[in-house]
Amino acid sequence: KAGVTQTPRYLIKTRGQQVTLSCSPISGHRSVSWYQQTPGQGLQFLFEYFSETQRNKGNFPGRFSGRQFSNSRSEMNVSTLELGDSALYLCASSPVSERSPLHFGNGTRLTVT
Amino acid sequence: GQQVMQIPQYQHVQEGEDFTTYCNSSTTLSNIQWYKQRPGGHPVFLIQLVKSGEVKKQKRLTFQFGEAKKNSSLHITATQTTDVGTYFCAGPAGSSNTGKLIFGQGTTLQVKP
Repeated sequence: KAGVTQTPRYLIKTRGQQVTLSCSPISGHRSVSWYQQTPGQGLQFLFEYFSETQRNKGNFPGRFSGRQFSNSRSEMNVSTLELGDSALYLCASSPVSERSPLHFGNGTRLTVT
Repeated sequence: GQQVMQIPQYQHVQEGEDFTTYCNSSTTLSNIQWYKQRPGGHPVFLIQLVKSGEVKKQKRLTFQFGEAKKNSSLHITATQTTDVGTYFCAGPAGSSNTGKLIFGQGTTLQVKP
């Protein structure tokens, strides 16, 4: 089975711009979660989508949004980028069953200048 | 809010020495998961513990879940250079069994050959 695929791998944007990141989950996985990883804050939960619906949301401002498509692929969008948004953005998928572990993609490294 | 704390933050060992990382949750957990992230990589699921007092082994790695289901540990016997990386524990947020996990800050292990 192919793993979780995230595109692009690297992005450089300037403050004020917006960015869209993409994630294709493992085939058959219907839950997609997004995490932000920074050296200072570690791994922080952004949101989770299941069957095209946002099931959970973390404590991030409204500039961070996402969606999931009928094929379970997901995108996250960050508008009005700030320097502090520079981070590794990780997507993780899991099956429907309870207590399923997360399968992470390689991440998108976003640098905001 | 719910917190998961890990100590130590960093550990440098000589190859062949043992290593232990400890994880403590501010709340009782339904389960705890451990992930390993190699330098430049993404978190990879290692194991999940569900039962109070549970102990699981994977070759040189021993995982324990505390009786109160609020703490956990990972012990590596006779470390090897392939063990280098950051080890994260993570627990479900609240009573959720979804993709929303609260991660510890991680313990970064360096192994000197």
